[in-house]
Amino acid sequence: DAKTTQPNSMESNEEEPVHLPCNHSTISGTDYIHWYRQLPSQGPEYVIHGLTSNVNNRMASLAIAEDRKSSTLILHRATLRDAAVYYCILRVANNAGNMLTFGGGTRLMVKP
Amino acid sequence: NAGVTQTPKFRVLKTGQSMTLLCAQDMNHEYMYWYRQDPGMGLRLIHYSVGEGTTAKGEVPDGYNVSRLKKQNFLLGLESAAPSQTSVYFCASSYEWGDRYEQYFGPGTRLTVT
Repeated sequence: DAKTTQPNSMESNEEEPVHLPCNHSTISGTDYIHWYRQLPSQGPEYVIHGLTSNVNNRMASLAIAEDRKSSTLILHRATLRDAAVYYCILRVANNAGNMLTFGGGTRLMVKP
Repeated sequence: NAGVTQTPKFRVLKTGQSMTLLCAQDMNHEYMYWYRQDPGMGLRLIHYSVGEGTTAKGEVPDGYNVSRLKKQNFLLGLESAAPSQTSVYFCASSYEWGDRYEQYFGPGTRLTVT
C-alpha cells in the first residue's frame, strides 16, 4: 500500500487558518486522497477527499499538488473544537473491501 | 437514523474469557469493518465484510473471529481473551457511489483484559 507521511503534531491559534501537510510520494494514478479526523474519545469522522483537483466542503479545503505527491488540508478558521488527530489516507479505487489504512496522523492543538 | 452503534461501550474481561462485540448500522451500507486502536496509535483493521454473508481478514486478524449474518450487523468475537487485546475497538460502515466514498464510525468499545 502507498504510504503517507505527516508531522506528529502541530499548533495553531484559534480563529487563524491551519495548513496540515501530507506527503505521499509513492501515490499511484488511481489512489484517492482522504482525510479523516478523530476528536478526543470519539471514532474518526470523514473530512474531505479528492483525486486530482482541489476540493472544498463546509469543513475544509483540500489542496493537491500538481504531481499529486503531496497534499494539504486547510482549515480556514480554527476553533477549539478542531483540536483532533488528523489522518491523511490513500485509498485505492475499487480495491476489494474499499479499505482505509490509518497511519499515526497529526495531532492538532488549538490555542485560545 | 442512529448511524453506527456499538454494544457494549465498556467491558472488562479476565484472561481466557470470551465475548462478542456487536456493531449495527441503519444506513443500508454494504461494507463493514472492525478496527482496534491502541493508546497513541492509529487504527488497525482486524476484519471486514463486503456484504451480507461475507468476511475477510484485515491487518491484525489473529485472535478474533467475525460474522455478518445480517446486512446491518457485524459481530466481532474474542474466543479466549488475552491482555494484548486490551484496546479500543471501532466499527465502521461505508458505501461507494461513483466518486463518493465515506466510512462512518461508531463510538467505540473500550475493552480491558486483566
